[in-house]
Amino acid sequence: QSALTQPRSVSGSPGQSITISCTGASSDVGSFDHVSWYQQHPGKAPKLMIYDVTKRPSGVPDRFSGSKSGNTASLTISGLQAGDEADYYCCSWAGSNTWVFGGGTKMTVL
Amino acid sequence: EVQLVESGGGLVQPGGSLRLSCSSSSFTFSKDWMHWVRQAPGAGLVWVARITGDGSRRNYADSVKGRFTISRDNAKNTLYLQMDSLRAEDTAVYYCVKDAYYAMDVWGKGTTVTVSS
Repeated sequence: QSALTQPRSVSGSPGQSITISCTGASSDVGSFDHVSWYQQHPGKAPKLMIYDVTKRPSGVPDRFSGSKSGNTASLTISGLQAGDEADYYCCSWAGSNTWVFGGGTKMTVL
Repeated sequence: EVQLVESGGGLVQPGGSLRLSCSSSSFTFSKDWMHWVRQAPGAGLVWVARITGDGSRRNYADSVKGRFTISRDNAKNTLYLQMDSLRAEDTAVYYCVKDAYYAMDVWGKGTTVTVSS
């Protein structure tokens, strides 16, 4: 149950696009299309933004999108807004009814 | 909209025990798979445990296996986490989370557990 690997920080200017990567292994990200992404503002509970690699829950703007290639999943945020500044976590089902999170990425809007 | 409210956190000495509770407003609680996820101070999210709707199947992270027990009382719409043999590294905010078919769609606000002498 090793944590998925995310960059510690990313940044972008308002209106730009950024991508956060999430690298796992063939036993988790690479084997299952059950990758989800969570947004967490300081002092708040996480919020589901993407599930099953590419799907958005109701109410999440279409500026947020997900993808996967091999053992690496990605979250892209387009048209960056100040309110998007937060920590982002990926999560993958790892088989045997266990889940593994990434270490988190601090996203800063310049 | 489903709401989850955790309680039971506090300060406990190393080697001690604590039981967390999570009250759910879900009308379908007995069908909801539920998780506990924790977050140490300044650190990332870590999955702790999961239980099926009827309580028949439970799974744990290696770091808590044998020390923590997840359970539920569907008549009370309540999820529990019994934590025994607590260690300093168990210090964290503990979130109660509703499962959404391999994702986690509803989160409580969390309850803080501090393990220290």
